[in-house]
Amino acid sequence: AQKITQTQPGMFVQEKEAVTLDCTYDTSDQSYGLFWYKQPSSGEMIFLIYQGSYDEQNATEGRYSLNFQKARKSANLVISASQLGDSAMYFCAMRELHSGGSNYKLTFGKGTLLTVNP
Amino acid sequence: KAGVTQTPRYLIKTRGQQVTLSCSPISGHRSVSWYQQTPGQGLQFLFEYFSETQRNKGNFPGRFSGRQFSNSRSEMNVSTLELGDSALYLCASRFRDHDEQYFGPGTRLTVT
Repeated sequence: AQKITQTQPGMFVQEKEAVTLDCTYDTSDQSYGLFWYKQPSSGEMIFLIYQGSYDEQNATEGRYSLNFQKARKSANLVISASQLGDSAMYFCAMRELHSGGSNYKLTFGKGTLLTVNP
Repeated sequence: KAGVTQTPRYLIKTRGQQVTLSCSPISGHRSVSWYQQTPGQGLQFLFEYFSETQRNKGNFPGRFSGRQFSNSRSEMNVSTLELGDSALYLCASRFRDHDEQYFGPGTRLTVT
């Protein structure tokens, strides 16, 4: 069974500094996808970044980058130049990539609450 | 392009009642998934619909059901509500099988 572990219940960072949110995963599949979502207090889940298990380069999207270490089964999110609006819950999630996508579901970690201080 | 919409946004029900939540996916998206989020259990997958067919189901009792219409809009129903059903219910849609999911704002259900 898939499992996502986020060991940091809460993190604090100063505005304009970088922060790393940890995520480790467990799966027996060779083909899978890893996601990070942001959830502000409003509740909506906002997609941030995606990394496929066969992608050789780490994914980047603006200020977000994913530090993918396949052998260690880790997929840490790095946010550069933190902004006050980055304060939110952050969830790491994994999806198995079965052929045809017929088994599409995300398994989420418990989340990390990030607080950006001015 | 409009995002995923969910109605209602907030709902208060009494134990034993039933409730229906609605989700309209992004235009052109044929897959709709539902998730339950609670402080204790976190985010849990409920079910996924694709072209009006349920393709995958999470570990929830039969009181939780859903359906998808020909226009890809989806509804989920919870019958005989229990206090533990109080949660944020999130709907997500995607275009192709291996695409990322886009979530709606959620429906916050409170059962008293």
